[in-house]
Amino acid sequence: AQSVSQHNHHVILSEAASLELGCNYSYGGTVNLFWYVQYPGQHLQLLLKYFSGDPLVKGIKGFEAEFIKSKFSFNLRKPSVQWSDTAEYFCAVNARQAGTALIFGKGTTLSVSS
Amino acid sequence: IAGITQAPTSQILAAGRRMTLRCTQDMRHNAMYWYRQDLGLGLRLIHYSNTAGTTGKGEVPDGYSVSRANTDDFPLTLASAVPSQTSVYFCASSPEANYGYTFGSGTRLTVV
Repeated sequence: AQSVSQHNHHVILSEAASLELGCNYSYGGTVNLFWYVQYPGQHLQLLLKYFSGDPLVKGIKGFEAEFIKSKFSFNLRKPSVQWSDTAEYFCAVNARQAGTALIFGKGTTLSVSS
Repeated sequence: IAGITQAPTSQILAAGRRMTLRCTQDMRHNAMYWYRQDLGLGLRLIHYSNTAGTTGKGEVPDGYSVSRANTDDFPLTLASAVPSQTSVYFCASSPEANYGYTFGSGTRLTVV
C-alpha cells in the first residue's frame, strides 16, 4: 500500500525566507506526484504535478518541486515566500499503473509573518 | 463556470439521522472521489468511482455509502450519523484515475 509522509507539521517563516517542505512516499512502482495548497477557509488547489520527464517541475506562484526517485522524495521549494503563501500544503501520490486514488500526506501548515 | 458543486455548505446533524451530501460536476470527468479532512490527519479517502456505474471503498468507508448513476453526480450518504463523522467533506473529480483532481468547496458537517 502506498503512504505519504510530510516531515514538517508546522513551519514558521518570515517574508523573503526560502521554503522547503519535505515529502516522502512509499511505493515500489511508478507514481504520479502532486502538491496541493489549501488557503484558509478554501478548498484544495493544485500547485504542481509530476508524471514523467524532467524531475524538476515548476508550478504556480513561484513554487517548484524536485522528484528524487532514489530517495522516494518530492520536496516543495520556493526561493522567497510571501505573506500570502500562508496556507496548508499537502503532498499526494498515486500508483500510475494501478490507477488508484490519490493518497495524501497529513499536511504542513506554513505561517509567513510580514 | 466549470467545476464541482457541493451541497450543503455546512450542516449540523443529530446523531442517528440520515444525511446525503451532494456532489455534481460539469466537466464530464470519469473519476470522482469523496475525502474527509480532519485536523492532523490530512485527507482520507472514503469512496471513489472510476467511471459511472462503478464504485470502490477507500481508506475509511465504514458508515458511508455512495452511488454513481451517471457521470455528473456522486452523492455520499451517511445512513445513521455518529459524532465521529464530524468533519469537512470534499468531493473531487479527475478526467481519469491518474490525473490531478479538481476539488469542490467542501461540506462542513457537525454531528451532535
